[in-house]
Amino acid sequence: DQQVKQNSPSLSVQEGRISILNCDYTNSMFDYFLWYKKYPAEGPTFLISISSIKDKNEDGRFTVFLNKSAKHLSLHIVPSQPGDSAVYFCAASEGAGSYQLTFGKGTKLSVIP
Amino acid sequence: SQTIHQWPATLVQPVGSPLSLECTVEGTSNPNLYWYRQAAGRGLQLLFYSVGIGQISSEVPQNLSASRPQDRQFILSSKKLLLSDSGFYLCAWSPQTHQPQHFGDGTRLSIL
Repeated sequence: DQQVKQNSPSLSVQEGRISILNCDYTNSMFDYFLWYKKYPAEGPTFLISISSIKDKNEDGRFTVFLNKSAKHLSLHIVPSQPGDSAVYFCAASEGAGSYQLTFGKGTKLSVIP
Repeated sequence: SQTIHQWPATLVQPVGSPLSLECTVEGTSNPNLYWYRQAAGRGLQLLFYSVGIGQISSEVPQNLSASRPQDRQFILSSKKLLLSDSGFYLCAWSPQTHQPQHFGDGTRLSIL
């Protein structure tokens, strides 16, 4: 049973436009959410996180939105740049004492110049 | 600043051979350490985590084991590799739980 789902395997966006990556989860105990970016042959790089007590967190061009009632979060990248082309993973954690991050399968973002 | 080193980057091993993957973290003390695996077409799966020297917890029963002989060293081992052990292995660290985990560049393990 996949508790974190990224239903779009890939996404193409024009340079300068907004990229919106989506993630759904099923476990209502998740209370901490993260986005990672991964380039080929490298490990995932942490981008941004959000606690369940918030519905928005912003860091430069990256904003994460959390809709707890819909069990949905999204990552907005504005403006998109060619260097943003990578695989993006959504991850979630359950409770302050949890060590495990549950990852989605990733969405490959291609930003077209 | 903190850095995490993981080696080797790629490894090809025959079935039944032993395995040792090493991970070290610099620039922090008493980190939480993690081993993940990504099998083909699947998401990242937590294999082991450690909150201190000699303290190892396993999330998934398997052919692998982990050890933490020093504060910032984490080792993934196997006595006899199986074909199903193929995959991309990632080491990660975090200051505490409920904080971002930071990953190494991974080891691509192929079993022949």
